[in-house]
Amino acid sequence: NAGVMQNPRHLVRRRGQEARLRCSPMKGHSHVYWYRQLPEEGLKFMVYLQKENIIDESGMPKERFSAEFPKEGPSILRIQQVVRGDSAAYFCASSPQTGNRRTEAFFGQGTRLTVV
Amino acid sequence: DQQVKQNSPSLSVQEGRISILNCDYTNSMFDYFLWYKKYPAEGPTFLISISSIKDKNEDGRFTVFLNKSAKHLSLHIVPSQPGDSAVYFCAAKSYNQGGKLIFGQGTELSVKP
Repeated sequence: NAGVMQNPRHLVRRRGQEARLRCSPMKGHSHVYWYRQLPEEGLKFMVYLQKENIIDESGMPKERFSAEFPKEGPSILRIQQVVRGDSAAYFCASSPQTGNRRTEAFFGQGTRLTVV
Repeated sequence: DQQVKQNSPSLSVQEGRISILNCDYTNSMFDYFLWYKKYPAEGPTFLISISSIKDKNEDGRFTVFLNKSAKHLSLHIVPSQPGDSAVYFCAAKSYNQGGKLIFGQGTELSVKP
């Protein structure tokens, strides 16, 4: 049973370009979460998605950032017109759909975005 | 607005001794707490959790204690091993926000042989 898969592991973009980060959840998991870790900080929640639905995007910057989790395929976090301040590690996590909320989320290895 | 705080950025412990990592929270809506361990260049790995209806949960060398009145939890590792050296994150979630986790800033544990 493969874990949460994120790709690419490392991504370098020039200022103004677009960054696309992909996340395939664990098999059987239908809830996906994206977190960002800036240097020397903890993980900050960005967005929570289920298939074809954004459940909570309270942590997403208002501009340039978007996320989707289509019916087929991985979840995508898109950052348009990247700036140096977007340089961070972006982690995806997934959890099963269950009536019991007391389940832990499993994290991928992250994508390290560097904006030059 | 830091709802989950880990006030010690680092902790150094001798192998075989007890490691105690602390975490404080401010939001009384939190009802489930988790500890994650993270190595450099890897994603967080779930370690142990506790529901707000309990005050202690134990799993092998790891025990988490919850003091609801003080809004404080701690992770005890005993005996500590060099392989435990990593960054430990405390996280919390509330019943009305699905699986969204609020993380502390992390504590870097170094276990010296």
